[in-house]
Amino acid sequence: AQSVTQLGSHVSVSEGALVLLRCNYSSSVPPYLFWYVQYPNQGLQLLLKYTTGATLVKGINGFEAEFKKSETSFHLTKPSAHMSDAAEYFCAVGRQNNQGGKLIFGQGTELSVKP
Amino acid sequence: DTGVSQDPRHKITKRGQNVTFRCDPISEHNRLYWYRQTLGQGPEFLTYFQNEAQLEKSRLLSDRFSAERPKGSFSTLEIQRTEQGDSAMYLCASSSGSNTGELFFGEGSRLTVL
Repeated sequence: AQSVTQLGSHVSVSEGALVLLRCNYSSSVPPYLFWYVQYPNQGLQLLLKYTTGATLVKGINGFEAEFKKSETSFHLTKPSAHMSDAAEYFCAVGRQNNQGGKLIFGQGTELSVKP
Repeated sequence: DTGVSQDPRHKITKRGQNVTFRCDPISEHNRLYWYRQTLGQGPEFLTYFQNEAQLEKSRLLSDRFSAERPKGSFSTLEIQRTEQGDSAMYLCASSSGSNTGELFFGEGSRLTVL
């Protein structure tokens, strides 16, 4: 079985400050890990993903995440927040080699950016 | 290709009525997924297809829900005898079934049951 826990349903940062969104996963098999972003009234858009290889992955819009197997974590960071980063962020876990196909999502973290 | 498209984008219905949503995946994708998202929650998996075969169904998919993908292209999700608890955003996603695992999502169909 797989599950995802996102710590903090709402995170607020000032523009230019570090963004840190936390994600912990549980998986009985080697995982694929994803971060998606959802803007109001839009679908989910992939930010970045970890499949195999390098544990620090870079995504769009300056975001990056590090897979830490020992901590079962995949936290999302961005050095400097922009107003346009305000959105809902979802961490998701899937099975390596795409077995089973589906992704399991966390409950989401809403990011607010203050001017 | 313009991505995953869903229709209608919004549906308001009265309790007890039937509703149907349609999803057109990215054309070369052989896998299609349905998720449900309620306010303040992450997407919850409902079911998925590989080509025309429905390979997995969540226990969330009660017997009032049925999904089809008759020719392995578009899919429909029907909800019979709608209840107020069915009010949610219904998301469709597709993937190529490759080892990357990435899902491509449509913008969703929002259902409101009065």
